[in-house]
Amino acid sequence: AQSVTQLGSHVSVSEGALVLLRCNYSSSVPPYLFWYVQYPNQGLQLLLKYTSAATLVKGINGFEAEFKKSETSFHLTKPSAHMSDAAEYFCAVSDSRAAGNKLTFGGGTRVLVKP
Amino acid sequence: EADIYQTPRYLVIGTGKKITLECSQTMGHDKMYWYQQDPGMELHLIHYSYGVNSTEKGDLSSESTVSRIRTEHFPLTLESARPSHTSQYLCASSAKYGDTYEQYFGPGTRLTVT
Repeated sequence: AQSVTQLGSHVSVSEGALVLLRCNYSSSVPPYLFWYVQYPNQGLQLLLKYTSAATLVKGINGFEAEFKKSETSFHLTKPSAHMSDAAEYFCAVSDSRAAGNKLTFGGGTRVLVKP
Repeated sequence: EADIYQTPRYLVIGTGKKITLECSQTMGHDKMYWYQQDPGMELHLIHYSYGVNSTEKGDLSSESTVSRIRTEHFPLTLESARPSHTSQYLCASSAKYGDTYEQYFGPGTRLTVT
């Protein structure tokens, strides 16, 4: 069984400050890990993914995430927040050995960006 | 850019009515999914399909049913809507890029049952 825990359901950052969203996973097999962003009244958009290649993954909109196996973590960062980053962010895990890529999602973190 | 469509975007309906939420994708993806998302909560997989005439129940038990008669179409049906079905329903399809599948999501249908 797999699970994802996102620490902090809400994060508030100032424009230009570092954005750090925490994600810890539990998986009995090597995982594939994903970060998605959801803007109000929209579906989810893939930000980036980890698939056992480089441990530091760069995504869209200036986001990146680092896979740390020893900490079972996949935290998402962005050096400088922009007002357009205000959204909800979801971390997800899938079983690398299973076909079809069923995703298990974390509870989400809502990001508020203050001017 | 993925093209996956859901209709209606918003639906308010009375208890006991039968409803069908539509989901279509134009990418030719074999795998499709339905998720249920309550406000401020995580997504839960309720149905998935790996191809035409293939449907499976997901991790979260749901009274809804699905069908997959055509590759591009994956509708979800509630025979008798109840207030407990009030939620957002997100449809997704996936394709393999590199080592893994990537899921692409539609904009969702926000259902309210009164």
